[in-house]
Amino acid sequence: AQSVTQLGSHVSVSEGALVLLRCNYSSSVPPYLFWYVQYPNQGLQLLLKYTSAATLVKGINGFEAEFKKSETSFHLTKPSAHMSDAAEYFCAVRGYNQGGKLIFGQGTELSVKP
Amino acid sequence: NAGVTQTPKFRVLKTGQSMTLLCAQDMNHEYMYWYRQDPGMGLRLIHYSVGEGTTAKGEVPDGYNVSRLKKQNFLLGLESAAPSQTSVYFCASRRQGYGYTFGSGTRLTVV
Repeated sequence: AQSVTQLGSHVSVSEGALVLLRCNYSSSVPPYLFWYVQYPNQGLQLLLKYTSAATLVKGINGFEAEFKKSETSFHLTKPSAHMSDAAEYFCAVRGYNQGGKLIFGQGTELSVKP
Repeated sequence: NAGVTQTPKFRVLKTGQSMTLLCAQDMNHEYMYWYRQDPGMGLRLIHYSVGEGTTAKGEVPDGYNVSRLKKQNFLLGLESAAPSQTSVYFCASRRQGYGYTFGSGTRLTVV
């Protein structure tokens, strides 16, 4: 069965520091992987997606993620955190059944300290 | 604006009441999904549809029913609301081979 695990339900960084949000997946088929961001009381916004092209994927707002098959990981990074990055982040994998549903991780809440 | 529209945005129900959440998309997408979001659990699939007139159960379908009589609309019904159904509900749609578009969510509280 496919699954996604996000390590750390809360991550706190200082403004200007590196952001690293961890995501590991389990899939018996080549995965399509996604990162979404959710700001307070809002819906989900796509940050970036991996669809078997380049392993380093660049997204919006300066975020990027690297697909590592050997580690079954798809960690999200940003070199320098901004206060506006404070939000909840979800990693997801496209399922190969149930209509191609998205299977989400538990989410990681990012706090940015001034 | 093109996209996925959810109505209502907020609702408070008493235990045992019924209601219907509406999801409408104007992108001619084949696939539509209903998720619920609960703290620490991410988003979980309630029901989904692969086309007009079809629906199927997801991971957590108990207590919910759905209908997709028109391609653009996907309705989620609660026949007898329970406090355990207090959640934020998201609808999403996609076209074959394309990405997902999410609605802005419905916050439901059952008291």
